[in-house]
Amino acid sequence: GAVVSQHPSWVICKSGTSVKIECRSLDFQATTMFWYRQFPKQSLMLMATSNEGSKATYEQGVEKDKFLINHASLTLSTLTVTSAHPEDSSFYICSATDRFSGANVLTFGAGSRLTVL
Amino acid sequence: SQQGEEDPQALSIQEGENATMNCSYKTSINNLQWYRQNSGRGLVHLILIRSNEREKHSGRLRVTLDTSKKSSSLLITASRAADTASYFCATDARGAQKLVFGQGTRLTINP
Repeated sequence: GAVVSQHPSWVICKSGTSVKIECRSLDFQATTMFWYRQFPKQSLMLMATSNEGSKATYEQGVEKDKFLINHASLTLSTLTVTSAHPEDSSFYICSATDRFSGANVLTFGAGSRLTVL
Repeated sequence: SQQGEEDPQALSIQEGENATMNCSYKTSINNLQWYRQNSGRGLVHLILIRSNEREKHSGRLRVTLDTSKKSSSLLITASRAADTASYFCATDARGAQKLVFGQGTRLTINP
């Protein structure tokens, strides 16, 4: 089945540094990838929709200059948390849809836990 | 408005019992999906039911959809300790590219 690889699975960084998270579709082409943020015991909050070759569409309230998303190929999307602060600490999850799949079924990465000190 | 609100928020049952979770949504949909999330991991797709379907089965899973009430239920039969996880419904609103996830039900199966 479809597999999405996300890494790093966890990262600890100092306040003010930038962190990049990668999301790769391993065995399918993903024209669209989604980035979510999840707080403990809560649901997923969609941050942005990333379409290959075009600018990401950000959800209301999500700072696009803070969370840079790049989707340069059909198999790779990256999320960069710029100048990270402790309030950015969270669990970030990506997902992707297979461009040849008729239904909007998402394949998720395993998530990346970011801790900003 | 909030799409995909599950209830109960948390459910704890004994192994072997059946677990039922419910999901309500507000707008017209193309389909409704259920996903499972183990603690600290990504989500895994369980089952999709289209708006013109009323019931669907997959192994120990049974999903129903009532578009008139804008609600769905997920039934897990003969539960196992390994079923312990959070379960989310997600709706695919017509014309929208993205899925909207509900708040989830945290299911605990006690051995």
